[in-house]
Amino acid sequence: GAVVSQHPSWVICKSGTSVKIECRSLDFQATTMFWYRQFPKQSLMLMATSNEGSKATYEQGVEKDKFLINHASLTLSTLTVTSAHPEDSSFYICSAGLGTSVNEQYFGPGTRLTVT
Amino acid sequence: GNSVTQMEGPVTLSEEAFLTINCTYTATGYPSLFWYVQYPGEGLQLLLKATKADDKGSNKGFEATYRKETTSFHLEKGSVQVSDSAVYFCALRRYGGATNKLIFGTGTLLAVQP
Repeated sequence: GAVVSQHPSWVICKSGTSVKIECRSLDFQATTMFWYRQFPKQSLMLMATSNEGSKATYEQGVEKDKFLINHASLTLSTLTVTSAHPEDSSFYICSAGLGTSVNEQYFGPGTRLTVT
Repeated sequence: GNSVTQMEGPVTLSEEAFLTINCTYTATGYPSLFWYVQYPGEGLQLLLKATKADDKGSNKGFEATYRKETTSFHLEKGSVQVSDSAVYFCALRRYGGATNKLIFGTGTLLAVQP
């Protein structure tokens, strides 16, 4: 149980275009979903926390107009990278939790974004 | 602020060797501590956790003890296998926060050779 999927697993897009990444909790309802960014050989950095039906809470330094997060249902959250640039190339990981104060987060396998 | 420091990798061991991956933390209050494992091509999986001082988390032969006096949560395994090759992340979550925010270390790559 507690499976989280991401789609696509990898994507290549041209500079200036937008790309959407989906995160789904397959066998449970996730009140809260988290989006992370992972640079090579570096830690996961939390970008934002989203609760179903409300606006996402972004971490300091993360541009909310560039990284649009939508959490429209209890099983789906999306991250849209708008007007992508090569420096946005990274590994994006989502996780899902049950409630706002949970002991565990369940992670998706990640999405590799390459902007050319 | 809250932070996690892990030993840099990669750590290369022969099968059946003893493993230690060091992790220390800085946090206000009383955090919960976690070890996550990321196998090649997969998402992070919770390996073990400890929620208060002196707790020992254990799973799949791995264990770690929450040491408040040394602010450490070192990961150990007595005899590693090739299948343990992965990236290991130490993380903390501050207790009582409004959101379940995890703070990760940089990860340590473990490579076990047959």
